[in-house]
Amino acid sequence: SQTIHQWPATLVQPVGSPLSLECTVEGTSNPNLYWYRQAAGRGLQLLFYSVGIGQISSEVPQNLSASRPQDRQFILSSKKLLLSDSGFYLCAWRGGGSYNEQFFGPGTRLTVL
Amino acid sequence: GENVEQHPSTLSVQEGDSAVIKCTYSDSASNYFPWYKQELGKRPQLIIDIRSNVGEKKDQRIAVTLNKTAKHFSLHITETQPEDSAVYFCAASINFNKFYFGSGTKLNVKP
Repeated sequence: SQTIHQWPATLVQPVGSPLSLECTVEGTSNPNLYWYRQAAGRGLQLLFYSVGIGQISSEVPQNLSASRPQDRQFILSSKKLLLSDSGFYLCAWRGGGSYNEQFFGPGTRLTVL
Repeated sequence: GENVEQHPSTLSVQEGDSAVIKCTYSDSASNYFPWYKQELGKRPQLIIDIRSNVGEKKDQRIAVTLNKTAKHFSLHITETQPEDSAVYFCAASINFNKFYFGSGTKLNVKP
């Protein structure tokens, strides 16, 4: 069966520090991968979307970036965190084909102080 | 890109009553509409979905309706139970690629 992992689960970082969040998927190949951010009490905002290695689509301008160095690995990064980067970051995957449910990872709660 | 609006932001019902959550979308090319339930501190989980070639879909106490002409879709929960209390999100997608979410509805079912 397929599983999705995210780490760390929680993170507290000072403003201006770098960020690296990792997401990996097991049990599937060539998944579509997604990064979302959920601010407190808000909906999910799509940040990045990837259909394959090295293929990243950015949805909103921001100081975050994403990379997909391997088929089942998706990394969210920042060189300098802002206070507004605080939130719950969710990675998700969807199988290929025309009808596959999107599955979410457990999330990383990031607090920028 | 797609814009999804969701109402109400909070909904309080008595156990056993029905709950209805409504969403509208802007891009007529959207053809897949999932609904997710998120319990406090947990990941969203799919509860029901509908494709654009279907007007209604039902799964036990949960149903979703879609009006393509008006570009709106709704979640209906009947005979609500306390364990239905959570935040519910609607989403819209074009060809199952990018997913755009509503802002969420916090449902409180009072026993």
